[in-house]
Amino acid sequence: SAVISQKPSRDICQRGTSLTIQCQVDSQVTMMFWYRQQPGQSLTLIATANQGSEATYESGFVIDKFPISRPNLTFSTLTVSNMSPEDSSIYLCSVAGGGSNQPQHFGDGTRLSIL
Amino acid sequence: RKEVEQDPGPFNVPEGATVAFNCTYSNSASQSFFWYRQDCRKEPKLLMSVYSSGNEDGRFTAQLNRASQYISLLIRDSKLSDSATYLCVVSNTGNQFYFGTGTSLTVIP
Repeated sequence: SAVISQKPSRDICQRGTSLTIQCQVDSQVTMMFWYRQQPGQSLTLIATANQGSEATYESGFVIDKFPISRPNLTFSTLTVSNMSPEDSSIYLCSVAGGGSNQPQHFGDGTRLSIL
Repeated sequence: RKEVEQDPGPFNVPEGATVAFNCTYSNSASQSFFWYRQDCRKEPKLLMSVYSSGNEDGRFTAQLNRASQYISLLIRDSKLSDSATYLCVVSNTGNQFYFGTGTSLTVIP
């Protein structure tokens, strides 16, 4: 499976600031996703990162708060903007092949704490 | 109704025991099914895909029942290292993936 590198692995940020998380894959992938996982909870999909076009956001998530870039088939970024303590979470990128029978594979996550 | 529902757990079993998790899904058109394992403070990792005929990987057996819309994971001869949260994942033809909330397993010495 693809090797997925996510940076930073963790950060502690002040409220009101923004942080950009990077996701780099060692091969071209069709699908890239961004998830959030709050303590003790399951994964919540934020958006699907589309190469060369705007991301597709899930209900409850908006581009102004979570702008996403995907300039090519191996790289994507997620920015968490104007952070508040409620944004403290683990943020995960994942990739999948294009077929419906292809599983997702995850980066090792970014642990974000907002003071 | 949630797309995917799992046994909430937690399951606490002794070493060597056999344990089974079930997961139900609501969309009869779902195409693909997976079990993931997530260790504490780590990312989910694919444990196994679930095929229509059922499949086995060592001590792990996954089964799919399309008529009743559930998948199961059976772990035989549980090891301490099997302690983790197990996530059921279902995807459809639109490449939409739905995650269960996870079932926590603790294997006790």
